[in-house]
Amino acid sequence: GAGVSQSPSNKVTEKGKDVELRCDPISGHTALYWYRQRLGQGLEFLIYFQGNSAPDKSGLPSDRFSAERTGESVSTLTIQRTQQEDSAVYLCASSLVWGRGELFFGEGSRLTVL
Amino acid sequence: EDKVVQSPLSLVVHEGDTVTLNCSYEVTNFRSLLWYKQEKKAPTFLFMLTSSGIEKKSGRLSSILDKKELSSILNITATQTGDSAIYLCAVESMSGSARQLTFGSGTQLTVLP
Repeated sequence: GAGVSQSPSNKVTEKGKDVELRCDPISGHTALYWYRQRLGQGLEFLIYFQGNSAPDKSGLPSDRFSAERTGESVSTLTIQRTQQEDSAVYLCASSLVWGRGELFFGEGSRLTVL
Repeated sequence: EDKVVQSPLSLVVHEGDTVTLNCSYEVTNFRSLLWYKQEKKAPTFLFMLTSSGIEKKSGRLSSILDKKELSSILNITATQTGDSAIYLCAVESMSGSARQLTFGSGTQLTVLP
């Protein structure tokens, strides 16, 4: 596609439910990132995929968070047993090659946990 | 732990004013510093800086990196209401073989007509 696509754009869920967020990066981009942005705060790194290498999961806040990526295509971020503090905008970004600084961001998925 | 600090946190100016946004960092294995503009949800790329003292310019926006002072500034001249946004600074560093990008909290710029 022309840009990074994320779905859903908005998700309201009840505490304790699982949610799955999807990211479709720009075709040909080998690197894919997930970030979280809480209201009024900066971007918080969650996880990074580079080609077929093992992902860098160092930013995942707890074992309730996991992410998968199939090859160099779609990625899904799963949050199990959601908590109210998980409420945030989850942004996905991709870049053409490893080491390039220019990230292209999706519009984000706004998650609200009631 | 890598750290990126931006100042001011927020700024309100009138159209035509010039603004300077600051970004300072403490990272190991610095690679580059990036500026993004975030208007609604998705940040858009402005500049990438890797060398000290070389100004990057795009229209009314310019930025420069000072590796000695571990900082960067983003200047916007003749501001317009469309410049209202959050400006994010990010620093790219290497942790082993992994590339890491650490964002600051951003500066909220409001330009009044």
